[in-house]
Amino acid sequence: AQSVTQLGSHVSVSEGALVLLRCNYSSSVPPYLFWYVQYPNQGLQLLLKYTTGATLVKGINGFEAEFKKSETSFHLTKPSAHMSDAAEYFCAVSDYTGGFKTIFGAGTRLFVKA
Amino acid sequence: DGGITQSPKYLFRKEGQNVTLSCEQNLNHDAMYWYRQDPGQGLRLIYYSQIVNDFQKGDIAEGYSVSREKKESFPLTVTSAQKNPTAFYLCASSIGQLSGNTIYFGEGSWLTVV
Repeated sequence: AQSVTQLGSHVSVSEGALVLLRCNYSSSVPPYLFWYVQYPNQGLQLLLKYTTGATLVKGINGFEAEFKKSETSFHLTKPSAHMSDAAEYFCAVSDYTGGFKTIFGAGTRLFVKA
Repeated sequence: DGGITQSPKYLFRKEGQNVTLSCEQNLNHDAMYWYRQDPGQGLRLIYYSQIVNDFQKGDIAEGYSVSREKKESFPLTVTSAQKNPTAFYLCASSIGQLSGNTIYFGEGSWLTVV
């Protein structure tokens, strides 16, 4: 069965510092992987997704994530945090064995300090 | 602009009342979903529909009901049987329910029991 684990419910960084949000997944077949961002009182919007091909995926707002099959990881990074990056981030996985359902992680709230 | 519209944004329910949350999409998507979001618990799937006049229970369907009479509309009724309905509700859609399909979200609706 699919599952997603996001390490750390809260992450705090200083403005200009590296952002690293961790995500590990479990899937018995090649997965499709997603990162979504949610700003307060809003819905989720897609940051980036991995389907097949290049393992380094670039998304919006300067974020990127790398699919590492050997580590079953899909960590999200951004070289330099901006105040506007403060939000909640969700990692998600789907594959055909899960009845095509998308499973979301519990979320990581990112705080950015001035 | 294409998107998903949820209404109302804020709704208060008295004990024993049924309430209905509206969800309309103009993306021409076949699949639609309802998620419930509680702090620190990520997103939990309530119901989903792959096609008009057909829908399936998700992981937490008890106390909820849906209908899909039109492709663009997927209303959610929170019944009096749902004992703890206070939460943020998210409607979403995708082209189809296939792995790798991006899920698009509405802005969400807050439901509070008073």
